[in-house]
This record gives sequence, C-alpha cells and structure tokens, in this order.
Amino acid sequence: GENVEQHPSTLSVQEGDSAVIKCTYSDSASNYFPWYKQELGKGPQLIIDIRSNVGEKKDQRIAVTLNKTAKHFSLHITETQPEDSAVYFCAASSGGGGADGLTFGKGTHLIIQP
Amino acid sequence: DAGVTQSPTHLIKTRGQQVTLRCSPKSGHDTVSWYQQALGQGPQFIFQYYEEEERQRGNFPDRFSGHQFPNYSSELNVNALLLGDSALYLCASSLESGRKYFGPGTRLLVL
Repeated sequence: GENVEQHPSTLSVQEGDSAVIKCTYSDSASNYFPWYKQELGKGPQLIIDIRSNVGEKKDQRIAVTLNKTAKHFSLHITETQPEDSAVYFCAASSGGGGADGLTFGKGTHLIIQP
Repeated sequence: DAGVTQSPTHLIKTRGQQVTLRCSPKSGHDTVSWYQQALGQGPQFIFQYYEEEERQRGNFPDRFSGHQFPNYSSELNVNALLLGDSALYLCASSLESGRKYFGPGTRLLVL
C-alpha cells in the first residue's frame, strides 16, 4: 500500500518568513495530493490540493509543488502570520480525490514566532 | 451551508464494550469515509461508503463496521473495544470523486 513520509515534524519560523513542508510518497499510482491544516481540538481543514497532471498550484500565500518523477510534493507558505500556527498534514490518494481513501503523513507542527 | 457534523463529541467506554459514532455529511455530498487519528499521528483510513455500500477498506479488523443510510448519513460501530481504540474518530464527506471535508471528530476514550 501507499506510504507517505513528511518532514520536518516541527518547524519554527519568524512571523513574516516563509515555511516549507515536504512529503514523499511510494505508490506511483497516486494522483491526488491534498494538504490539511488541523488546529487544536478541531478536525483537519483542506487548504489546498493538487492533481498529478499539474506541477504547481497557488492560492494567495499558499502554494503546492509536485514532482511526479521523484515522488515528492511540498507546501509553501509565504509571509507567515500567527494564525498559520497549527499542525499540517500531507496526504496522497490514487482515486482522483474522492474515489479512494487518503494516506496521511505524520504531520508537521508549524510554530510562528512573533 | 452546514458542514460535516459528528456526534457525540466525546465518549468514554470500558474495554469489551461496543460503541456507535454518527456522521452527517456536508449538504450535497454522497460519500462518507471514516478515519482514526491517534494522539500525535496522522489520520488512518478505516473505510468509505457510497450508495450505502462499503466501497473501500483500510487495514482495520472486522471489529470496525459501518453503515450508510439513504440520506447519506453514516455510522461507525466498533465492537469489543480495546485500550488501543482510544483516538479521535473523524468523518469526511465528499462527492464520489471530489475533495474530502472533515468533521470535528469524536474523541473516544477506552478505559
């Protein structure tokens, strides 16, 4: 089955700086890669996703890049703000978004230092 | 537009008991999947329901079972509870091939 590795487990950045979180996946059949933000006591919130026919996608301060050959994808957050502090999860699926279950990484605790 | 709702929010059970958790999907969604999230870990896929049938299952034992109703809501049942079943149980809804949106979860503690 699919295996998703996520790094780093903890990331501390100064407010206003950029943050990058990286994930690798093992199953070449995976074609859908969402990112979720989870705040304390809440369920995961979808923040951005990318499909395997696209190399990069951007939404305001958040961007995701995908390298299918190397089987890795990354989340980039620019101009970080205190409200960006949370745990971020990457995930992979081979069903195009909703058809298959998601395999998650172990999460990155992002800390924004004021 | 109501999002995904789950009940109850918290639950305490003892080993060997059985538990039922409930989920109402986001309006217009027809697919419900369930995940288990242990403390400090990423969610793990349990199973997915579409058209009232289990369509895909993760690596969980038969003690975990589910159901989807005609109104697309769903239940997760866990029999013969173990201490290791203590976790946050998350429900996600989607259209069959669409983005998954998660509910707030049910926190289960098994003593």
